[in-house]
Order: sequence, then C-alpha cells, then structure tokens
Amino acid sequence: GAGVSQSPSNKVTEKGKDVELRCDPISGHTALYWYRQSLGQGLEFLIYFQGNSAPDKSGLPSDRFSAERTGGSVSTLTIQRTQQEDSAVYLCASSHAQVKRNQPQHFGDGTRLSIL
Amino acid sequence: QQQVKQSPQSLIVQKGGISIINCAYENTAFDYFPWYQQFPGKGPALLIAIRPDVSEKKEGRFTISFNKSAKQFSLHIMDSQPGDSATYFCAASMQGNFNKFYFGSGTKLNVKP
Repeated sequence: GAGVSQSPSNKVTEKGKDVELRCDPISGHTALYWYRQSLGQGLEFLIYFQGNSAPDKSGLPSDRFSAERTGGSVSTLTIQRTQQEDSAVYLCASSHAQVKRNQPQHFGDGTRLSIL
Repeated sequence: QQQVKQSPQSLIVQKGGISIINCAYENTAFDYFPWYQQFPGKGPALLIAIRPDVSEKKEGRFTISFNKSAKQFSLHIMDSQPGDSATYFCAASMQGNFNKFYFGSGTKLNVKP
C-alpha cells in the first residue's frame, strides 16, 4: 500500500520567506510526527499529533514553527521568516495509535529545505 | 541532555564481516528499542525492535542484544554486505509517553566489497 508521502521533496527559498511542508500519512494511522534532521545528525523531535487530542508541541524550536493536522489526516508544517539554520531535512512519520503498546513509525522520504 | 547515546559515529567493515553498533540510555522507564536503517535521500525504515523482557532478538542477519542492567543495547549485522551500507539509528520510547521517541545520533556504516 501507499506509504507516507511528503511534498515538496526539495524546497529552496530565501531567508525571511515563509514555507509550508506537507505530509500525507498512511491511511488509518492516527498518530503523526514531525522530525528535523540536520546534515549528518540524528532526528530531532518537533511535534506529535494523536487523533483529536491536543498536539505535543514540546519539540518546536521557536514560535516561527507551527503545524496543523486537518481532519485527522494531512498535516502541514509551517516555518515563518525562515533563517539559514532552518536548513535541514524535515521528516514526517505516522503510526497506529500509541495506546497500549509502542507502535513502529513509518517515515516519509522527507522535504529537503535549503534557505539561501 | 541526550537520552540515547550511540556509537560509533561511523564504521567501515569488510564484506562478510560483523558490524556492531552500540547504544546506551539512562532512563529506566524506556521499554521499547527500535533500530532504523536510512539510505541517502530516503526516510528511516524500521529494521528490528526489542522490548526489555528478552535479551536478544534475531531477524535474518540482524540481531539486537539487550543488556538491561547495563542499560545498553546493540545491533549486530552478520555477514555484512555492501547493500547494508546506510546510516543506522537506535531509538527508545516508554509506556505512558508513547508520543516521544528518542533517537541516537546515527552511525554511518560503509561495507567495503
């Protein structure tokens, strides 16, 4: 079946511009995560959505970052007034509900964001 | 504070050799330890995972060894192949905080033909 889909795959923009990154999770997955991966680094947790619950935004690095998930499916990560340090690969992952046992996450191939 | 520490940062192994990647954690509440494999330009993919009620889990050429008392776990790749060349990440999460997965910093494995 279809995996996690992210768009665009690459985005180049000028410093100070706003960007929107999109994630289509696997159908039926109620949990959705955003991570940031800087060059040669590990995964940095940004935000987590679970069903209709309030999202866990504890990983967002600043108030320039926001995310929403409409209808419990597609999610958009927005970065306002981009800075050069925002350059990274932004990964989205989805999983079944994390209710009783940890469920594996399925990752998309990411959006490579470059800020000039 | 890094919750999961991974080593080495990079690893070169000859074809047919054993690749070993180590991870250590501090939080004893962690109870799920997955390993992910990531190829360039792709997202991480779940490789194998273990829970602390067992000391070892094997799937094909991949084995996780888990030492609960030492709070360490490791990935062993037997008969390493050039196609195994990728970046490997360990991770940990806990009951009651299912949303948080803590990732290691990654190990870049290069298997020489």
